[in-house]
Amino acid sequence: QSVLTQPPSASGTPGQRVSISCSGSTSNIGSNVVNWYQQLPGMAPKLLIYNTNQRPSGVPDRFSGSKSGASASLAIRGLQSEDEADYYCAGWDGSLNGVVFGGGTKLTVL
Amino acid sequence: QVQLVESGGGVVPPGGSLRLSCAASGFTFTRLGMHWARQAPAKGLEWVAYIRYDGSKTLYSDSVRGRFTISRDNSNNKLYLQMNSLRAEDTAMYYCAKDASYGDYVSYFDYWGQGDLVTVSS
Repeated sequence: QSVLTQPPSASGTPGQRVSISCSGSTSNIGSNVVNWYQQLPGMAPKLLIYNTNQRPSGVPDRFSGSKSGASASLAIRGLQSEDEADYYCAGWDGSLNGVVFGGGTKLTVL
Repeated sequence: QVQLVESGGGVVPPGGSLRLSCAASGFTFTRLGMHWARQAPAKGLEWVAYIRYDGSKTLYSDSVRGRFTISRDNSNNKLYLQMNSLRAEDTAMYYCAKDASYGDYVSYFDYWGQGDLVTVSS
């Protein structure tokens, strides 16, 4: 059971906007930034969003992150077939004194 | 460019030990914290351990504390994970990852290695 809760799956058609939620508590998302990682099939994870809403160089602006209270969201607009991947939220948990991950969301592009 | 290359994985019986290594290049290794994370087959990501840039501070997940030890050799730009008392549930792909922060705190993983597979089985 993951500390951060994500829906196991999400889907959309090319060009659509999809959103993936990440629910936590006051000891993690509620008091710290959230980071998102993308894992393409058979590959290592890659940083997608850091500090809740910042994109690393090279990540398209179709990807955006936000947070409200103890919940965070990853939004992808203009969905493309290459966005089909697993997405994980993560952050620091002050009570556990460690990094916690969400269980991951498998995004399917129909 | 940043490169992280894990090695040392393999098959080990329950109760056995294994040491993973991660060779780092392309950045100032001595100034940044490092992590190990893992992913069991068809499962999600799990953080395992963190070590401060100078090795003076280490953190562990509850699932490995007391059995695993993270360490580093700043002279040779290497990160290690000594794994003892291995269990079947430790079977996973193990990734080393670079922390993005130059400070004395954990931030986010800005680079990941390709991973190394550890299988605990008799």
